[in-house]
Amino acid sequence: QKEVEQNSGPLSVPEGAIASLNCTYSDRGSQSFFWYRQYSGKSPELIMFIYSNGDKEDGRFTAQLNKASQYVSLLIRDSQPSDSATYLCAVKEPGRRALTFGSGTRLQVQP
Amino acid sequence: DVKVTQSSRYLVKRTGEKVFLECVQDMDHENMFWYRQDPGLGLRLIYFSYDVKMKEKGDIPEGYSVSREKKERFSLILESASTNQTSMYLCASMLMNTEAFFGQGTRLTVV
Repeated sequence: QKEVEQNSGPLSVPEGAIASLNCTYSDRGSQSFFWYRQYSGKSPELIMFIYSNGDKEDGRFTAQLNKASQYVSLLIRDSQPSDSATYLCAVKEPGRRALTFGSGTRLQVQP
Repeated sequence: DVKVTQSSRYLVKRTGEKVFLECVQDMDHENMFWYRQDPGLGLRLIYFSYDVKMKEKGDIPEGYSVSREKKERFSLILESASTNQTSMYLCASMLMNTEAFFGQGTRLTVV
């Protein structure tokens, strides 16, 4: 059973719209949550991290964490074609040194 | 800026060859990781190291070994390359409980 689940997509949104990406995790003791963006053929790069319940905003990006429901989401406002990429959710599970990654959601922003 | 550098961007090797993938980081991180990434399967952890000469198996260690003789360098070794090891290999480093920083990736093709 996969510990971190994401819908593979593709999620298609028009330019200027809000893109909503979701991720669920199985280990209730997980403390740290990360969103990475990966362009085709490139390595993942960190967009945001969140540790506490609630929202965290950084520019056009907002990460939302709900530990009771075991999900974390990423909202991208005013989506741009340059946001088209695969978004990876990663979780730091207790007792595990490595991050556990979801399979990623492919986002397509249509001009 | 944290820099994680992988020795090769693209590599083509023959079945049965011994293959070395090198990774160097410049931020004095104690933890280093090797992942492979395949379509639909996301990032899967092969091996990690939490200190010099210390290593632990990840989720898919079969057919691989690692070496960490210096803190900044972590090598992945394919003892006898096989076609099912054709993949994108990603090295990452991190401090405890923080985000992982990735190298640029090595796309390995075994023919």
